[in-house]
Amino acid sequence: GAVVSQHPSWVICKSGTSVKIECRSLDFQATTMFWYRQFPKQSLMLMATSNEGSKATYEQGVEKDKFLINHASLTLSTLTVTSAHPEDSSFYICSARDPLGSSGSSYEQYFGPGTRLTVT
Amino acid sequence: DAKTTQPPSMDCAEGRAANLPCNHSTISGNEYVYWYRQIHSQGPQYIIHGLKNNETNEMASLIITEDRKSSTLILPHATLRDTAVYYCIVRVATEGNTPLVFGKGTRLSVIA
Repeated sequence: GAVVSQHPSWVICKSGTSVKIECRSLDFQATTMFWYRQFPKQSLMLMATSNEGSKATYEQGVEKDKFLINHASLTLSTLTVTSAHPEDSSFYICSARDPLGSSGSSYEQYFGPGTRLTVT
Repeated sequence: DAKTTQPPSMDCAEGRAANLPCNHSTISGNEYVYWYRQIHSQGPQYIIHGLKNNETNEMASLIITEDRKSSTLILPHATLRDTAVYYCIVRVATEGNTPLVFGKGTRLSVIA
């Protein structure tokens, strides 16, 4: 199947600083990527939909000014957590769909390995 | 607002078949049943999907009831590496640009 990578895999930052997380589709082009957040022992919660060349669509309750999303190319979306606080500590996961089906199917979404953010 | 219901947890002996049920009584005619799993501290992994016929691939089999109101994911010979949270999701297959909505899933523990 198609491969999605994330960088970094884990990061520790101090309260008040900003952190950027990258999501890349390695062997396909993705016009749409999704960002999820997962707290311990909970399910994945959709944060936003990232669209190449346009503004992201945020889910209700997700602050767009705090979680900045940029999808400047067909293979890269970035999530920046601005002025991070301890309550932002979580596991952030991105996913992407291969619209051309080069992986064999155009319907599955492929997930990155996740980025664990710890804010101290 | 997941459209599926799954048991919160299940145990399975290593080497035995793991049968994970999922209820989706409000499924629409054009909605597929998808299964993903998430091993601890990793991103979800696609397993299988189907519409109304039973499906099998190298990872698992998917059995969908005739009325499509429920399904069962079967791992034929569970190993310790199959310990994970398994998510059953229903969605229209062509809605590739809409996100997957995850419920709480079933935590499968494979026991040696």
